[in-house]
Amino acid sequence: EVVMTQSPATLSVSPGERGTLSCRASQSVSSDLAWYQQKPGQAPRLLIYDASTRATGVPARFSASGSGTEFTLTISSLQSEDFAVYYCQQYGNWPPKTFGQGTKVEIK
Amino acid sequence: EVQLVESGGGLVKPGGSLRLSCAASGFTFSSYSMNWVRQAPGKGLEWVSSISSSSRYIYYRDSVKGRFTISRDNAKSSLYLQMNSLRAEDTAVYYCGREVGTGSYIEHWGQGTLVTVS
Repeated sequence: EVVMTQSPATLSVSPGERGTLSCRASQSVSSDLAWYQQKPGQAPRLLIYDASTRATGVPARFSASGSGTEFTLTISSLQSEDFAVYYCQQYGNWPPKTFGQGTKVEIK
Repeated sequence: EVQLVESGGGLVKPGGSLRLSCAASGFTFSSYSMNWVRQAPGKGLEWVSSISSSSRYIYYRDSVKGRFTISRDNAKSSLYLQMNSLRAEDTAVYYCGREVGTGSYIEHWGQGTLVTVS
């Protein structure tokens, strides 16, 4: 099973600042990686797929990169609606499809 | 608009059974692979099971193999998860999700249904 490890567990950022989230896979998943955003009481929302492609309707302030075992999600200028939990998920080596434990982005 | 609506959750005793349903609309259900993903209270996301568009390919996480059965009825645009021999650790919100292609990410998610085993 591919273990996905996200860091940091919590990211404290002021509105307007840049936030960088990391995701590491225990073995290569090529570019088969997605990022999701989840707000309290809501279902996850797809942000990024194939490691760097923004999903439909996702603002350009969200960007992502990486391949193999190291991946990054960057939010260039955090808006109030961006404070949420973010999960990475690999689909390059499954079953099972595995998620990271999540990074909570909170207001500093 | 793609809509996925889960139902069937509730409170069940350990060892009991429950059948979850996911009603799909707004797209050609028979063309897409579907998934169940769960989230225990205050915890992260955990993939449970996937089924291909024709039901030819079915996959489960190890912890539910032999206890859960995923199925679909393309004529009814519905996805199901039959859960037997339920355990306390199966307590979670269960989401159904539509996949892109086969063996990929989940593009659309339902709002979830809560299963409590106690």
